[in-house]
Amino acid sequence: EVQLLESGGGLVQPGGSLRLSCAASGFTFHNYGMAWVRQAPGTGLQWVSFISATGGSTYYADSVKGRFTISRDSSKNTVYLQMNSLRAEDTAVYYCTRGPRVGSWGTFDIWGQGTMVTVSS
Amino acid sequence: QTVVTQEPSFSVSPGGTVTLTCALTSGSVSTTYFPTWYQQTPGQPPRTLIHSTNTRPSGVPDRFSGSILGNKAALTITGAQADDESDYYCVLFMGSGIWVFGGGTKLTVL
Repeated sequence: EVQLLESGGGLVQPGGSLRLSCAASGFTFHNYGMAWVRQAPGTGLQWVSFISATGGSTYYADSVKGRFTISRDSSKNTVYLQMNSLRAEDTAVYYCTRGPRVGSWGTFDIWGQGTMVTVSS
Repeated sequence: QTVVTQEPSFSVSPGGTVTLTCALTSGSVSTTYFPTWYQQTPGQPPRTLIHSTNTRPSGVPDRFSGSILGNKAALTITGAQADDESDYYCVLFMGSGIWVFGGGTKLTVL
């Protein structure tokens, strides 16, 4: 069964840091790009970041550029999101999602259950 | 900045047909944007209904279909059922490693 399992969410103070993890199983991890998408309470989905299948290319939404870093470890079938300088507006459920296959572009098909990040003093 | 727009809300009668759309504030949506549609119920992650304009993943009923209508991507639900009452989101690949979601459509079945 194809599965994504996020972890690492929690309560953090403004200006603090948090690292999210997403463990993938049931598919050939190194063949797919991976992304993080977030959803603030009561609002819609927002793309946050993407990493290519090889890890050689990374992309960020303007709202997180310079503060968040996406990475992946193919030996652990895991993708990470390091979040620094967190702000109240980063409060959201963060979803890990599978992106397009290596060598192609597209969107997202498999989603994890999400992990909640709350930035508050 | 390009924005992706969806109808904020829509209503359909049980058994009826409804078409939700996904548009760009500037320009036309085409297959090169890989329009994808998700269904989301409260407290759950999104579920992929349609990807790459009109491809249904296995397990998605064929009463869900995707297309390009004029200058928009479209999701059509034929024979609406009560459990289709959900939020529906589209996403477009804008190129250069950028994806943009629409604001979502809240569908009511009554």
